[in-house]
Amino acid sequence: AAGVIQSPRHLIKEKRETATLKCYPIPRHDTVYWYQQGPGQDPQFLISFYEKMQSDKGSIPDRFSAQQFSDYHSELNMSSLELGDSALYFCASSLPPGEQYFGPGTRLTVT
Amino acid sequence: GEDVEQSLFLSVREGDSSVINCTYTDSSSTYLYWYKQEPGAGLQLLTYIFSNMDMKQDQRLTVLLNKKDKHLSLRIADTQTGDSAIYFCAESPPEGNTGKLIFGQGTTLQVKP
Repeated sequence: AAGVIQSPRHLIKEKRETATLKCYPIPRHDTVYWYQQGPGQDPQFLISFYEKMQSDKGSIPDRFSAQQFSDYHSELNMSSLELGDSALYFCASSLPPGEQYFGPGTRLTVT
Repeated sequence: GEDVEQSLFLSVREGDSSVINCTYTDSSSTYLYWYKQEPGAGLQLLTYIFSNMDMKQDQRLTVLLNKKDKHLSLRIADTQTGDSAIYFCAESPPEGNTGKLIFGQGTTLQVKP
């Protein structure tokens, strides 16, 4: 069965650089969620989209922005990167309500 | 408020049953979930329960929900070494019905051979 695809899987950036993370949801899923998981932490909700519109916003820094495109894929744009942004970034998709499936994550390292 | 709590560590012997507990605060959450995360890997949806149920069984997994006490548990029967991982419970608060998940801190399950 098709799963959530995230790219890249690993990304190394320097402080103050920008990064773009991509997420391709499971076919026919119309809702995408982004989560950030710091080392040894639980995942924290960042932002979600339903039918290409932002549906909810969590603890997402102003330096980050995201959108969902007409083909339902989503991108998380991160600017002025800080050391504390180093984390695993997960995308999840669902057909609400109910089951939310996660991608393998993008490991971002900021040096 | 939104707060999900779990014990941090559980160690069992292979073949025993494991019970991982979770408490949550939002009594109006409609869905409660269990996810499994192996080292360096993503989050695998194990099972979920709708809030009007008190039990759900799926092969070796049994979920019990005590809505009055806001307590959720995951029982793994005949625990295997491959079950060693971090287990997260999560609730889906109903505000806005957006489906975002609030996770607990995760319980590390260690299975000894």
